[in-house]
Amino acid sequence: DTGVSQNPRHKITKRGQNVTFRCDPISEHNRLYWYRQTLGQGPEFLTYFQNEAQLEKSRLLSDRFSAERPKGSFSTLEIQRTEQGDSAMYLCASSRKRMDTQYFGPGTRLTVL
Amino acid sequence: QKEVEQNSGPLSVPEGAIASLNCTYSDRVSQSFFWYRQYSGKSPELIMSIYSNGDKEDGRFTAQLNKASQYVSLLIRDSQPSDSATYLCAVTYNTNAGKSTFGDGTTLTVKP
Repeated sequence: DTGVSQNPRHKITKRGQNVTFRCDPISEHNRLYWYRQTLGQGPEFLTYFQNEAQLEKSRLLSDRFSAERPKGSFSTLEIQRTEQGDSAMYLCASSRKRMDTQYFGPGTRLTVL
Repeated sequence: QKEVEQNSGPLSVPEGAIASLNCTYSDRVSQSFFWYRQYSGKSPELIMSIYSNGDKEDGRFTAQLNKASQYVSLLIRDSQPSDSATYLCAVTYNTNAGKSTFGDGTTLTVKP
C-alpha cells in the first residue's frame, strides 16, 4: 500500500456525460501528478501540481479536462462531455521532492460507452 | 521516435533464470531513472530507482545505468513466476515539474 488513494476505482459512463475523479496523495507529499494510460502503452503525463498551484499541463489535456487541488491536499480531475477516446486508466502519483520517486495510486479505470 | 524506448517483448524465461530488461532514452538532461512493475489491471509499483552511473542492487534486482550510452537496464536474478508482469522504465527530467516519461513496457513471463 503506497498511501495514494483514488476514487472511484471504476467508472462507466455514456458519451457526453461529465465525470470527476479524486486523488488523495501521501500526506507529506506536496507534488501531485496525473497520468493517463491506455492498453499496451506506458503512462502519459497530463498535469502537475505543487501544493495548490497547477504548474504544468500536457498538450494531451484538452479544454474538456480540468484539474484542481484546493488547499494543496486532494486533487480532482474532471472530464466534460466524455468521448470514447477518453476511455483509459487515470493514474495519480505523488512525490515529496522534485526528481524523487513518484508513488502511484490504484488508478481509476474509465469506460466511455 | 519515442523519448523512452523499451523492447515490448514478450520476454520469456524459465524459473530460476536471469531476466534482462533494457531501456534507452533520448534526452541527455535526464537525471532520475526508475523501474516500475505493473501487473495486469493494476497500477505501477516501484521496483528500483537509480540516479548515477553504475550498478545498484536490491535483493534479486540490479539496475544498471550508463548515461554516456543513454541506457538503463534491469536484471532480475532467480526469476519467479510471480515476477511475470510488465516492467516500465521511467525517466524523470530535470525540470521544475520533474515529470516522468515512461516507456511502453516490456512484458515478462517466467515459466515454472
